[in-house]
Amino acid sequence: EAGVAQSPRYKIIEKRQSVAFWCNPISGHATLYWYQQILGQGPKLLIQFQNNGVVDDSQLPKDRFSAERLKGVDSTLKIQPAKLEDSAVYLCASRIEREQYFGPGTRLTVT
Amino acid sequence: GQNIDQPTEMTATEGAIVQINCTYQTSGFNGLFWYQQHAGEAPTFLSYNVLDGLEEKGRFSSFLSRSKGYSYLLLKELQMKDSASYLCAVDNYGQNFVFGPGTRLSVLP
Repeated sequence: EAGVAQSPRYKIIEKRQSVAFWCNPISGHATLYWYQQILGQGPKLLIQFQNNGVVDDSQLPKDRFSAERLKGVDSTLKIQPAKLEDSAVYLCASRIEREQYFGPGTRLTVT
Repeated sequence: GQNIDQPTEMTATEGAIVQINCTYQTSGFNGLFWYQQHAGEAPTFLSYNVLDGLEEKGRFSSFLSRSKGYSYLLLKELQMKDSASYLCAVDNYGQNFVFGPGTRLSVLP
């Protein structure tokens, strides 16, 4: 069974630029999460989808972050414009029943 | 509110036993997970507790006390490859996960 796929794996941008990340969950997993993990901290939930609907986006900085999962399968997370404090690893995870499965993450560096 | 607490760092010797504690205060509870995360990699599932008591899985065991809001992960016969961060996460009503800050474990020869 293929795991959660994410791209790109690494991205370096300057502040005020835009960036987009892509995630393809495990086939059949209805629930998809985006997390932000700052170095030395645990993952922080940004947004949770159930199929193509948003379940929880309470911690998503909506003035600059957006996410969509139009067909209920793959998802994109966008940051526009980026700030220095957005430097982090962005993890995508999908879930069926009780366990979450994580993708390899995208390491974003904002300079 | 939701709060999960873990020690920031721990050090242990190869072959020893180490216990990593996790305390939590969350608005909802539907189980507690432990994940292992090696540097630069994604978290991987270690264990799951929903009822009080000890769950054993090879060299790793996890304990839960729901009344005390407390869990621990016990690692036996430590190996160098066990050097990693260990994340405690509460399943919040089966909807989302709230992660603790993680405990960075260093295993020394």
